[in-house]
Amino acid sequence: AQSVTQLDSQVPVFEEAPVELRCNYSSSVSVYLFWYVQYPNQGLQLLLKYLSGSTLVKGINGFEAEFNKSQTSFHLRKPSVHISDTAEYFCAVNQIGADKLIFGTGTRLQVFP
Amino acid sequence: DVKVTQSSRYLVKRTGEKVFLECVQDMDHENMFWYRQDPGLGLRLIYFSYDVKMKEKGDIPEGYSVSREKKERFSLILESASTNQTSMYLCASSLGRTQETQYFGPGTRLLVL
Repeated sequence: AQSVTQLDSQVPVFEEAPVELRCNYSSSVSVYLFWYVQYPNQGLQLLLKYLSGSTLVKGINGFEAEFNKSQTSFHLRKPSVHISDTAEYFCAVNQIGADKLIFGTGTRLQVFP
Repeated sequence: DVKVTQSSRYLVKRTGEKVFLECVQDMDHENMFWYRQDPGLGLRLIYFSYDVKMKEKGDIPEGYSVSREKKERFSLILESASTNQTSMYLCASSLGRTQETQYFGPGTRLLVL
């Protein structure tokens, strides 16, 4: 069975500092990988996704993620965060051929001035 | 832009009441989903639907049912609300399966007293 682990439930960081949010998955077959963001009092929206091809994926708002098959990871990075990046971030995996997304438990990014 | 709307942002109900949560999408998407979001647990899939009048159980369907009479509308029903169903409920839609982006509504925060 597939699963997603986001080890960090909260990540505090100062504005303009770099940040990495970690995501590891387990699956016996190939997967599609996603990062969604949830701003306060809103639904989720897609940041980026990996389907195939280049392992470095660029998304909205300056975020990027790298698919590492050997490490079964899909960590999210941003070189310089803004206060407006304060939100909850969810990693999700979809096993190719399966019907549904499996979400991680989320990482709350708090950006301080 | 895809728009997914949910009938209520906040809802307060009594134990034992029948509760209807409505979700409407305006992009002619085939697939619709209902999730519940709880702190520390992330998003968990309750039910999903790939076509009108079709439904599939997700990971936590107990205590819930769904209805999809029209393509754009997907309803979640709590037959007899209980306090452990107090949660945030998120509806989503997507054009296709697996690799397609899911678009989320703003959520309904349900409190069962």
